[in-house]
Amino acid sequence: QVQLVESGGGLVKPGGSLRLSCAASGFSFSDYYMSWIRQAPGGGLEWVSYIGDTSRYTNFADSVKGRFTISRDNPKNSLFLQMNTLTPEDTAVYYCARIRKGDNGDIFDYWGQGTLVIVSS
Amino acid sequence: DIQMTQSPSSLSAFVGDRVTITCRASQRISSFLNWYQQKPGKAPKLLIYGASTLESGVPSRFSGSGSGTDYTLTISSLQPEDSAIYYCQESYTAPRTFGPGTKVEIK
Repeated sequence: QVQLVESGGGLVKPGGSLRLSCAASGFSFSDYYMSWIRQAPGGGLEWVSYIGDTSRYTNFADSVKGRFTISRDNPKNSLFLQMNTLTPEDTAVYYCARIRKGDNGDIFDYWGQGTLVIVSS
Repeated sequence: DIQMTQSPSSLSAFVGDRVTITCRASQRISSFLNWYQQKPGKAPKLLIYGASTLESGVPSRFSGSGSGTDYTLTISSLQPEDSAIYYCQESYTAPRTFGPGTKVEIK
């Protein structure tokens, strides 16, 4: 079965950096676009970034553009999110999600359990 | 960017009630609309995609409809396990904007 397991979250000071990882299993990872989506405490869902199956295409929310980088290692079935220059507004649970391409756009069909990032001094 | 709104923001209903949640986009999104269910402490779960297609394994009491800018999620007979927050999400453009959510509680 499809499994996505995030790791790398934790407490970091403002201005600091963190690298999140997502280990995928149960499907052909290299065939799928992948995404990061975050949720601030008590808040709603915010799409953060996606990466194409071959890493050729990436995109970012305006709120993280220039600070976050997304990457993947297909042979290792892994997705990454490098987060730099973190601010308290980046505090959230970060989910990795698989993207299924449909006739009506992208579908986030499987999600990991999330990893909590807290940015605080 | 496309803005998504949902109404109501919360509702409380009895088991067996028919429940309808509305999602409105700030521009036409041609059924590029998905619905997710999130229970406390859990990741969101895909319920419906393409505005009206039920994801495999999702109970048939859930249904979706709509077109243009206005979409609805209906639970035909509310069950105790349906207590959750429901989010719509447009997949028409980047960013893939989510609605603010509708909290459904059981009376």
